[in-house]
Amino acid sequence: DGGITQSPKYLFRKEGQNVTLSCEQNLNHDAMYWYRQDPGQGLRLIYYSQIVNDFQKGDIAEGYSVSREKKESFPLTVTSAQKNPTAFYLCASSSHDYTYNEQFFGPGTRLTVL
Amino acid sequence: AQKVTQAQTEISVVEKEDVTLDCVYETRDTTYYLFWYKQPPSGELVFLIRRNSFDEQNEISGRYSWNFQKSTSSFNFTITASQVVDSAVYFCALSTNAGGTSYGKLTFGQGTILTVHP
Repeated sequence: DGGITQSPKYLFRKEGQNVTLSCEQNLNHDAMYWYRQDPGQGLRLIYYSQIVNDFQKGDIAEGYSVSREKKESFPLTVTSAQKNPTAFYLCASSSHDYTYNEQFFGPGTRLTVL
Repeated sequence: AQKVTQAQTEISVVEKEDVTLDCVYETRDTTYYLFWYKQPPSGELVFLIRRNSFDEQNEISGRYSWNFQKSTSSFNFTITASQVVDSAVYFCALSTNAGGTSYGKLTFGQGTILTVHP
């Protein structure tokens, strides 16, 4: 079955540590996205990638980094510069980055900073 | 700037009641798309519907129906005869070519938590 996988489901990190969240899709989609979800705030875009080896900052990119070396993979690194990293992180993909394309979401990773 | 407002933070109903989730949007673009997503307790957002700005026809899919009114910038979602399995967080979202780029930036509302009691 085609879909998006994210790992791990739960992640705990000590302050000052970098951590990488995995996102893989086998939908053959060109575009991929990372969102952050906080209670009562909906989803906010961190980074997006339209094609391999290309990505752009979203609304809240500070303290995060990404790479897109393969079409199916779009890992997100939460760096120690991110002041409030505890949140639910969702990865998504769409066939293209056009306005009308719906995005398909993974199951999410819940990150907690101890 | 694009904005989506879901004024209802939480709604609680009893099974078999009808429930309407409100969504109001703001955009200066004439071409845009509106979406509804469902987020069950598992966390994964599930796509429910897409509507473009030129199509104001209401849509019905089983117990779900959507009412799009450009005059009031609203895209409301009604669940008829609600069931416990409908309990989830529902998000309304707006996609436009903001800034003239080809990229469809998706702006989400804050979400409405729906709880259906047996």
